[in-house]
Amino acid sequence: GQQLNQSPQSMFIQEGEDVSMNCTSSSIFNTWLWYKQDPGEGPVLLIALYKAGELTSNGRLTAQFGITRKDSFLNISASIPSDVGIYFCAGLNYGGSQGNLIFGKGTKLSVKP
Amino acid sequence: NAGVTQTPKFRILKIGQSMTLQCTQDMNHNYMYWYRQDPGMGLKLIYYSVGAGITDKGEVPNGYNVSRSTTEDFPLRLELAAPSQTSVYFCASSYFNSGQQEQYFGPGTRLTVT
Repeated sequence: GQQLNQSPQSMFIQEGEDVSMNCTSSSIFNTWLWYKQDPGEGPVLLIALYKAGELTSNGRLTAQFGITRKDSFLNISASIPSDVGIYFCAGLNYGGSQGNLIFGKGTKLSVKP
Repeated sequence: NAGVTQTPKFRILKIGQSMTLQCTQDMNHNYMYWYRQDPGMGLKLIYYSVGAGITDKGEVPNGYNVSRSTTEDFPLRLELAAPSQTSVYFCASSYFNSGQQEQYFGPGTRLTVT
């Protein structure tokens, strides 16, 4: 089946630093979604990408849909303590799968004040 | 809008017991989903529904059943609980339109089977 490779698995950074994480796949996706999950909570949607090459920002977050449609990255600028959590990428190929998302295994972000 | 709500938040089951995890959304979304999340892993799709009366299997459906009698509700049933079903369960919903799909998640149900 389709799989997403998300990296890095975990990151330990200093407050104020920029962060970059990415997802790659051997399959083409039509949509990329980025979620953040806080401990004990459900994933919360951060950014949705629908077109190859699309670059979208949400505050300090920027995400891009790779031109090959097989990858996406998420950048966080000037990290703050509340950025701590697990970030998931998810890809969607709705060609025949009725809109089922495939999730990466997550990037765990720790921010040192 | 309350969004996606799930009950209960926590549950401990003995092996062989059964239970129903409840999920309700008030966003009039046509699609609903059940996922499970194991430690250090992403989310795996159990079942999904594209509308009332229509359900289909996801990646890991064994040991579970669902029904969708209304747009709002999508309960997940465990008939004979097994330790392998210890996990955190998330319900999600979306409005699938022209290929644009943003799934919104509930807060989760943490289930332990002993």
